[in-house]
Amino acid sequence: SQTIHQWPATLVQPVGSPLSLECTVEGTSNPNLYWYRQAAGRGLQLLFYSVGIGQISSEVPQNLSASRPQDRQFILSSKKLLLSDSGFYLCAWSVQAGLETQYFGPGTRLLVL
Amino acid sequence: AQSVTQLGSHVSVSEGALVLLRCNYSSSVPPYLFWYVQYPNQGLQLLLKYTTGATLVKGINGFEAEFKKSETSFHLTKPSAHMSDAAEYFCAVSDQGGTSYGKLTFGQGTILTVHP
Repeated sequence: SQTIHQWPATLVQPVGSPLSLECTVEGTSNPNLYWYRQAAGRGLQLLFYSVGIGQISSEVPQNLSASRPQDRQFILSSKKLLLSDSGFYLCAWSVQAGLETQYFGPGTRLLVL
Repeated sequence: AQSVTQLGSHVSVSEGALVLLRCNYSSSVPPYLFWYVQYPNQGLQLLLKYTTGATLVKGINGFEAEFKKSETSFHLTKPSAHMSDAAEYFCAVSDQGGTSYGKLTFGQGTILTVHP
């Protein structure tokens, strides 16, 4: 069966510090991968998606970037965090067909102080 | 562009009462529709989805939803609420377009509270 992992589970970082959040998927090959941010009262916002290694599409301009160095690894990064980057970050995967269900990881709670 | 509107950011019901969470969508093509549930500090779990075929979809934990094209709605219901149903619920739509890459557009979420 497929599983999706995210770490760390929680993170407190000062403004201006770098960020690296990791997501890995097991039990499937060549998945579509997604990064979402959930801010209080704002639902889920799609940040990035990837259909293959090295292929990243950004949905909204922001202070963040994403990379996919391996087939089942998706990384969310920032060089300098802003207060507004605080939130709950969720990684998800779906079958490459593109119209299938998305399966979500447990999330990372980020607090920027 | 797609959009999803969930009517009511908070819904409160008594244990054993009917649960009704409303979702309306807009899409230029026939959509795929989803309901997800999120428990505190956890990821999202799929409750049910509509793709094609029967418009009444049954999901996990006794939930079901009906796709009504004429009303552009996909409301979630459960006949009898349980305390364990307390969570946040998200409606989502996926465009069937070839370049959509399965991207989902989510509603703002509805927090369900169940009273004893």
